[in-house]
Amino acid sequence: GEDVEQSLFLSVREGDSSVINCTYTDSSSTYLYWYKQEPGAGLQLLTYIFSNMDMKQDQRLTVLLNKKDKHLSLRIADTQTGDSAIYFCAESNTNAGKSTFGDGTTLTVKP
Amino acid sequence: GAVVSQHPSWVICKSGTSVKIECRSLDFQATTMFWYRQFPKQSLMLMATSNEGSKATYEQGVEKDKFLINHASLTLSTLTVTSAHPEDSSFYICSAASYSYYGYTFGSGTRLTVV
Repeated sequence: GEDVEQSLFLSVREGDSSVINCTYTDSSSTYLYWYKQEPGAGLQLLTYIFSNMDMKQDQRLTVLLNKKDKHLSLRIADTQTGDSAIYFCAESNTNAGKSTFGDGTTLTVKP
Repeated sequence: GAVVSQHPSWVICKSGTSVKIECRSLDFQATTMFWYRQFPKQSLMLMATSNEGSKATYEQGVEKDKFLINHASLTLSTLTVTSAHPEDSSFYICSAASYSYYGYTFGSGTRLTVV
């Protein structure tokens, strides 16, 4: 079945850039998502990218997609302590359909 | 934007009792709702997928008689944990999907503790 993998932990200093990486196995993935989860809360959709795109930028967030390598990354510029959270990568073949989630990357931002 | 309300946010119940968790899309009609269980090491486990008016589709290994899902309308789905045991203690999260939005809208989660 489909699989999505991401590293479990990332630690950066405040003001630095953070890059969270994700790989997936399903070559028919059409929608790729990044979600953020703060402690004790549900997940919040941060951004998404379609499989026919290479890059998407939204303020401090930049998503890069290498479809050939099935690799997705999320770059957070000027990382702040409020960015400390768990970040989940997810993929889906259809919008509103079943998504496969990675295990999440815990980002810790040190002052 | 899309909002999903999940209640209660936390509940403590005695072993052997049942608990109902409600998930409601407030400002949109959900095509599909999903129920997840999140373990302490952060990974999400999909429990079931539900569509309004039809039986939920459970993932392999999830007991459908223990975790009852009712999707009564396009805006409401409920998860009932029947005869709860301490091993059912976990963080349960619902999400809703709609063709009007990309991605899922998640509820805020329910922390269930069975004592």
